[in-house]
Amino acid sequence: QSVLTQPPSVSGAPGQRVTISCTGSSSNIGAGYDVHWYQQLPGTAPKLLIYGNNNRPSGVPDRFSGSKSGTSASLAITGLQAEDEADYYCQSYDSSLSGYVFGTGTRVTVL
Amino acid sequence: QLQLQESGPGLVKPSETLSLTCTVSGGSISRSNYYWGWIRQPPGKGLEWIGSIYYSGSTYYNPSLKSRVTISVDTSQNQFSLKLSSVTAADTAVYYCARHGQWGLGGFDYWGQGKPVTVSS
Repeated sequence: QSVLTQPPSVSGAPGQRVTISCTGSSSNIGAGYDVHWYQQLPGTAPKLLIYGNNNRPSGVPDRFSGSKSGTSASLAITGLQAEDEADYYCQSYDSSLSGYVFGTGTRVTVL
Repeated sequence: QLQLQESGPGLVKPSETLSLTCTVSGGSISRSNYYWGWIRQPPGKGLEWIGSIYYSGSTYYNPSLKSRVTISVDTSQNQFSLKLSSVTAADTAVYYCARHGQWGLGGFDYWGQGKPVTVSS
């Protein structure tokens, strides 16, 4: 029931920059609701990575950044490191569902 | 440091009710402007929000699950609970409890470690 669409996978060499898109609609991202991003390492619970579109919680490296425009949002990882290999999810609020929605998820592979 | 811990049976029979509890430690579940939610993740799949509750008892449910879900809160025990009725194999998942900020705005900033639940006879 994901209403936020992400690419299934992205990859990059160490040190490179990768971006993950999150495409929504006029009832969620396009309506102005904040987008949040999570990192899920294998076998662990998701961890809040970016909140309120472009804010990092304490302890999250500044290699991670978020942006939002129109009905989409993006997560950028610069200086890709082996430890960044994980699944990433975007999340927002949807007014037509009156609830929270997650993206389809993107697996980042470090080559 | 806030910590959340899920507990409950790891195996539920089809057609029965799945019951889980989340115990919050290191902070009060009654803190204003914070909500408490349940999210699940089927094996190899993505995250799905199940529902949320405020300490006052106000509840918010995913429309796709609303007919089968009940979330309750016990402020005296600093716990909140999930009940999902008439379960099928499709409800097999890791169930997470988590905290989020103001309704419609905040992200999920603290998570439990997750409770795997299998629906099988």
